Amino acid sequence: GQQLNQSPQSMFIQEGEDVSMNCTSSSIFNTWLWYKQEPGEGPVLLIALYKAGELTSNGRLTAQFGITRKDSFLNISASIPSDVGIYFCAGQAGTYKYIFGTGTRLKVLA
Amino acid sequence: EAQVTQNPRYLITVTGKKLTVTCSQNMNHEYMSWYRQDPGLGLRQIYYSMNVEVTDKGDVPEGYKVSRKEKRNFPLILESPSPNQTSLYFCASSRTGGFQPQHFGDGTRLSIL
Repeated sequence: GQQLNQSPQSMFIQEGEDVSMNCTSSSIFNTWLWYKQEPGEGPVLLIALYKAGELTSNGRLTAQFGITRKDSFLNISASIPSDVGIYFCAGQAGTYKYIFGTGTRLKVLA
Repeated sequence: EAQVTQNPRYLITVTGKKLTVTCSQNMNHEYMSWYRQDPGLGLRQIYYSMNVEVTDKGDVPEGYKVSRKEKRNFPLILESPSPNQTSLYFCASSRTGGFQPQHFGDGTRLSIL
């Protein structure tokens, strides 16, 4: 089945650093979503993007819907230890079908 | 509290023994979906349901069945489980399917021996 290419696969960063990750697809999406998953839990929505070029922030998180509609970016500023987790992008192609990225595993060193 | 509840959270069973993973949501959502999560592959959609009695296949439906007889419940059925169905499973729901972010349950870890 179709999947989104998400990079990097994993990151080790120092507390206070900024983080960038992205998601690319060969197909166009109408919606991009970013989720965070912590151990033992299901993914939790961070940011939803509905329009090409849209830039949306949620606290220290900022995400953008690429102009081509084939990519999206997530930035985390001034990382803290509780940012640890797996970050997933997800795209919605049709009205009901969701495609998820392979995830970026983030570890923050205090 | 708004939530998606899956049961069981953990299950170890043997090949061929039918099992059902239940999923219930208390948000009156129309859309529900099942995913499996495997290392390096992210989440892959198994089946989804747009409303009561309306279901459709996701990307990896083989070996699974679902039903949606009531709005709040969306069970995942493995009629004859096999070891390649060992995985972490998530149920999710959203108000409607179209462009609505999904709420996820806490997952069910299945091990098929």
